[in-house]
Amino acid sequence: GENVEQHPSTLSVQEGDSAVIKCTYSDSASNYFPWYKQELGKRPQLIIDIRSNVGEKKDQRIAVTLNKTAKHFSLHITETQPEDSAVYFCAASRWAGGFKTIFGAGTRLFVKA
Amino acid sequence: DAGVIQSPRHEVTEMGQEVTLRCKPISGHDYLFWYRQTMMRGLELLIYFNNNVPIDDSGMPEDRFSAKMPNASFSTLKIQPSEPRDSAVYFCASSSGTGGTDTQYFGPGTRLTVL
Repeated sequence: GENVEQHPSTLSVQEGDSAVIKCTYSDSASNYFPWYKQELGKRPQLIIDIRSNVGEKKDQRIAVTLNKTAKHFSLHITETQPEDSAVYFCAASRWAGGFKTIFGAGTRLFVKA
Repeated sequence: DAGVIQSPRHEVTEMGQEVTLRCKPISGHDYLFWYRQTMMRGLELLIYFNNNVPIDDSGMPEDRFSAKMPNASFSTLKIQPSEPRDSAVYFCASSSGTGGTDTQYFGPGTRLTVL
């Protein structure tokens, strides 16, 4: 079946450093790639997304890049802060033949002050 | 707007009992999604509705699971009979427009424990 691989599973960085999380998907029909942040005991919240007709998108300290040929997309967080500590999920979604979405397993990010 | 509302927030029940989870989507959103989150399987889409009509329930794990959306402001996810392996956090989410490429807003979730 279709899947999304997310790496690393755990990431620890020093405050102010950058963090990069990578995802690879298998469904070539995927055309929408959201990233969610989930704090302990809370709901997933969308932090940024990218559509298949765009290669890169940036929102302040957060950026996402997409390589459709390689079926690969990444989340970049610059100038990390302790409040960035959370679990981050990527997802690969499509609407062809109905809505399908598959989430990565998540990356637990620790930002050390 | 209050956002997506789910109830109850926590549910503890015994194996074999019926469990009903409830969701009120954001007003005006015409897509509603039910997800399940477990440590073992991560986040999974169970079923989604468009304009109150179930579109795809291929993610529903077993016939013990059923979902309804009687109107635009209310949906239920029912498990009957419940089993310990159903223990998870169940999220409801809603979105507007084309759904898949519009932001999905998640509810706070219902943490279900089946003893």
